[in-house]
Amino acid sequence: TQLLEQSPQFLSIQEGENLTVYCNSSSVFSSLQWYRQEPGEGPVLLVTVVTGGEVKKLKRLTFQFGDARKDSSLHITAAQPGDTGLYLCAGALHSGYALNFGKGTSLLVTP
Amino acid sequence: DAGVIQSPRHEVTEMGQEVTLRCKPISGHNSLFWYRQTMMRGLELLIYFNNNVPIDDSGMPEDRFSAKMPNASFSTLKIQPSEPRDSAVYFCASSLKVTQYFGPGTRLLVL
Repeated sequence: TQLLEQSPQFLSIQEGENLTVYCNSSSVFSSLQWYRQEPGEGPVLLVTVVTGGEVKKLKRLTFQFGDARKDSSLHITAAQPGDTGLYLCAGALHSGYALNFGKGTSLLVTP
Repeated sequence: DAGVIQSPRHEVTEMGQEVTLRCKPISGHNSLFWYRQTMMRGLELLIYFNNNVPIDDSGMPEDRFSAKMPNASFSTLKIQPSEPRDSAVYFCASSLKVTQYFGPGTRLLVL
């Protein structure tokens, strides 16, 4: 069973559009991370959130951790073709424990 | 700085053969993780080590899979005998705290 459910699984949009992807669970996480993976490469960390309600911004990307630390969202403003990739959320149930990964959202941004 | 190094990058083998995947973590990191990624199941944790000691191997599919970490700078994942359903991309990752740094992966095809 998947601890973290990501939605949507696939998203195809045009350059300039906004989008939000979601990461949901019934479990409480001590921290949650978002990774981006490009074809033929390993996932690369984008951000870590640890406090319920926390919001972090990385240029056009906005990450939010739910108040109850069970869910998270990633919002991209004015998407660009360079944003294309697989976005993975990963949660740590306890500090020092291994991460549980969602299946990912595959994003395609066309010019 | 060198990241996580994995070898080989690609492996094609026949069913029944032994396969050994290798990983060199980032120097100074004390945790090492082996993952398997497929379209159907996403990124699955197979096993992880802390200070060279296996902590959780509950993700190892069956006795055909084994992993070792003889020292802080080297780990192997062995599949013997290999089966077509083992075809996947296998990632190694290392960490010092929460953030995991992934290698480029080994793409395994078992015919």
